[in-house]
Amino acid sequence: DAGITQSPRYKITETGRQVTLMCHQTWSHSYMFWYRQDLGHGLRLIYYSAAADITDKGEVPDGYVVSRSKTENFPLTLESATRSQTSVYFCASKGVDSNQPQHFGDGTRLSIL
Amino acid sequence: AQSVTQLDSQVPVFEEAPVELRCNYSSSVSVYLFWYVQYPNQGLQLLLKYLSGSTLVKGINGFEAEFNKSQTSFHLRKPSVHISDTAEYFCAVSESYNTDKLIFGTGTRLQVFP
Repeated sequence: DAGITQSPRYKITETGRQVTLMCHQTWSHSYMFWYRQDLGHGLRLIYYSAAADITDKGEVPDGYVVSRSKTENFPLTLESATRSQTSVYFCASKGVDSNQPQHFGDGTRLSIL
Repeated sequence: AQSVTQLDSQVPVFEEAPVELRCNYSSSVSVYLFWYVQYPNQGLQLLLKYLSGSTLVKGINGFEAEFNKSQTSFHLRKPSVHISDTAEYFCAVSESYNTDKLIFGTGTRLQVFP
């Protein structure tokens, strides 16, 4: 089925470790986004990408790295995880037309001990 | 820059009662407005969107919202809620013609009681 999938759905890791969250979409959408969701903050944009090999910072990019070598994939890496990065992470995608909404994956719940 | 304020963090309501979830925004440019719903352990689903034209927007599951430019509001309403409407609701804003940056409110938890 077409859509946007995130993996893993749940992840527990330790401080200082590297962890990568995967996002894959089958719509060939140009835009892809990473958000984190924290109580009291709603969703905050970490990074986004307008096309393959084009990425840009969002509101809270520190401590995160992204890449977009293929249109359909947009992995998010925490190079050295910290407890403050414990959160639920959502990936989203949208087409190029300005009137198209963003479509979200089901999220990855990340706990850093 | 845009910002979104959802005035109520939680809204309890009985089944079959009407409900209004409030959303106010601030922006110096014209905007697009969105309401998303999040069910437990799921991602966000689009309920409805305002791009232009009629200020009353109808969405899925019987929800509607009204864009009020003078009051910078985009309140979400449903005349009769169901238990299955229990969820988190997010209002979001973007600049018109630039929806690659969505600004979200902090969410309103709608709890429907039997």
